[in-house]
Amino acid sequence: GQSLEQPSEVTAVEGAIVQINCTYQTSGFYGLSWYQQHDGGAPTFLSYNALDGLEETGRFSSFLSRSDSYGYLLLQELQMKDSASYFCAVRDPPGDNYGQNFVFGPGTRLSVLP
Amino acid sequence: GAVVSQHPSWVICKSGTSVKIECRSLDFQATTMFWYRQFPKQSLMLMATSNEGSKATYEQGVEKDKFLINHASLTLSTLTVTSAHPEDSSFYICSARDMGPGEKLFFGSGTQLSVL
Repeated sequence: GQSLEQPSEVTAVEGAIVQINCTYQTSGFYGLSWYQQHDGGAPTFLSYNALDGLEETGRFSSFLSRSDSYGYLLLQELQMKDSASYFCAVRDPPGDNYGQNFVFGPGTRLSVLP
Repeated sequence: GAVVSQHPSWVICKSGTSVKIECRSLDFQATTMFWYRQFPKQSLMLMATSNEGSKATYEQGVEKDKFLINHASLTLSTLTVTSAHPEDSSFYICSARDMGPGEKLFFGSGTQLSVL
């Protein structure tokens, strides 16, 4: 099976940089994804890492170390609108489910203060 | 990007009634859709995987007779909560994968179900 761990809450101020960590235990690994979810809304895709290293997309970057079963999401130049929950996710390996579903971490609630 | 439409956004019903939630992929075909349940301030819990033209695959602990899933076409999956009770009150979200490269899931806007 798959299990993921994330910090439950993180607080930072506008303009700051924050890092949200994710560690995982999987029976097969196909990459680590990150999703953002605002209260009452649907999750939206942020990034995906299949290989080790850093992927940058604007103010958001995501890092993966497969040897450490660890990744993080880095948010720079924080804005108030970044206040949301952030979930890391991994995919089940083929064979466990016809549709190859995704398993989500517990989520990290980010609060950005003025 | 791909769009997934989910309706209704919210529904209030009496205990014992059934509620149907629709999930449509608007600009792509989805042979597989996923149904999640989410309680406040918690993660998304996969309930079942909806497969076009075949039976849904339910996660352990999810009652298939209570949460009926139908995936009649490549663009539509429905979840029916039968004989709803207050403990079924939750946020239900569907998602689908674009069959292009990558690992991106596209989510519907979710349905907030409140059972009185």
